Amino acid sequence: TQLLEQSPQFLSIQEGENLTVYCNSSSVFSSLQWYRQEPGEGPVLLVTVVTGGEVKKLKRLTFQFGDARKDSSLHITAAQPGDTGLYLCAGGNDYKLSFGAGTTVTVRA
Amino acid sequence: NAGVTQTPKFQVLKTGQSMTLQCAQDMNHNSMYWYRQDPGMGLRLIYYSASEGTTDKGEVPNGYNVSRLNKREFSLRLESAAPSQTSVYFCAGGWDSMNTEAFFGQGTRLTVV
Repeated sequence: TQLLEQSPQFLSIQEGENLTVYCNSSSVFSSLQWYRQEPGEGPVLLVTVVTGGEVKKLKRLTFQFGDARKDSSLHITAAQPGDTGLYLCAGGNDYKLSFGAGTTVTVRA
Repeated sequence: NAGVTQTPKFQVLKTGQSMTLQCAQDMNHNSMYWYRQDPGMGLRLIYYSASEGTTDKGEVPNGYNVSRLNKREFSLRLESAAPSQTSVYFCAGGWDSMNTEAFFGQGTRLTVV
């Protein structure tokens, strides 16, 4: 059983559309991170959210951390083919960083 | 700076063989991690080391051992490989209680036949 549940597992959209990926857990985390992974590479950090209710923006990407620090969402506005990849959420407590199963996003030109 | 370096990048083992996956970091991180990634299951933590000289089990430690040789190096050993250990293995360093970034190596693709 995954500690962090991501949905949807797969997402295929047309260039210019918006998308949202969700990350939910029954556990409270001291922080939640979002990573993006390209084929054949390790994950690379996009953002860390720490405070319940926090919203962070990174260009066309908007990240939210739930008030109870158990869930998060990633919203991409006007998606581009370069946004294609595997998006992973990760929740941390102490020295354990646990990952969700990931959402594979494909943006068609 | 190379960051986090894993060797080898690819490996094929026969069932029952043993091998050690090597990981080294030049970023002076206290904490280091070993994960495995399987389709549809994301990254699952095998073992971690919060600091030099300490190691702890993660979610899926069975069939693996680790050594934190020094601050730079954290190796993962498969004593008797099984087909269920076919996976992509990632070493990472850096994440700790201060919520810093985890830096990953490029992975080792292991096939056990």
